Amino acid sequence: GAVVSQHPSRVICKSGTSVKIECRSLDFQATTMFWYRQFPKQSLMLMATSNEGSKATYEQGVEKDKFLINHASLTLSTLTVTSAHPEDSSFYICSARGLGQGVSETQYFGPGTRLLVL
Amino acid sequence: GQNIDQPTEMTATEGAIVQINCTYQTSGFNGLFWYQQHAGEAPTFLSYNVLDGLEEKGRFSSFLSRSKGYSYLLLKELQMKDSASYLCAALDSNYQLIWGAGTKLIIKP
Repeated sequence: GAVVSQHPSRVICKSGTSVKIECRSLDFQATTMFWYRQFPKQSLMLMATSNEGSKATYEQGVEKDKFLINHASLTLSTLTVTSAHPEDSSFYICSARGLGQGVSETQYFGPGTRLLVL
Repeated sequence: GQNIDQPTEMTATEGAIVQINCTYQTSGFNGLFWYQQHAGEAPTFLSYNVLDGLEEKGRFSSFLSRSKGYSYLLLKELQMKDSASYLCAALDSNYQLIWGAGTKLIIKP
């Protein structure tokens, strides 16, 4: 149980285009989903926390107009990187926390999406 | 401020035992997680401790001392596939995960 999928696993795009990444909880309902970014050999950096049906809470320094997050259902959250630039190239990972299991419930991670902006 | 400290890198021998330490300072505390992350992959959940003591799960065990702000992950009978980064993360009073930078574990034959 507690499987989280992400799509696509890898994407290459041109500078200025937008990229959408999907995160799905496959066998549980996720009230809260988290979006992280990780640069090579660096630690995970939380970008935003999203609760189903409400606006995402962004961490300091993360541009909400550039990184659009939608959490429309209990099993799906999307991250759209708008007008991507080479410095946005990174490993984007989502995680999900289950429904009705308390805020201390474990976060389960998706496999990540590697974004390369040319 | 909130802070998680763990060693940057450790080396151990196949078949041996290794202990990865983690100290934390957070505003409030609601538990401590350990995750494993292989290079180029996302983290996978290993353990969660909220009460003092040792939790054993196969070859991996995790220990917590709340009064000392200290945890460790113990890996026994090391295998080459255990080469990975091990991330310590503490849940603060707002139920936000505060992440350590990770400990890169290198296993040698």
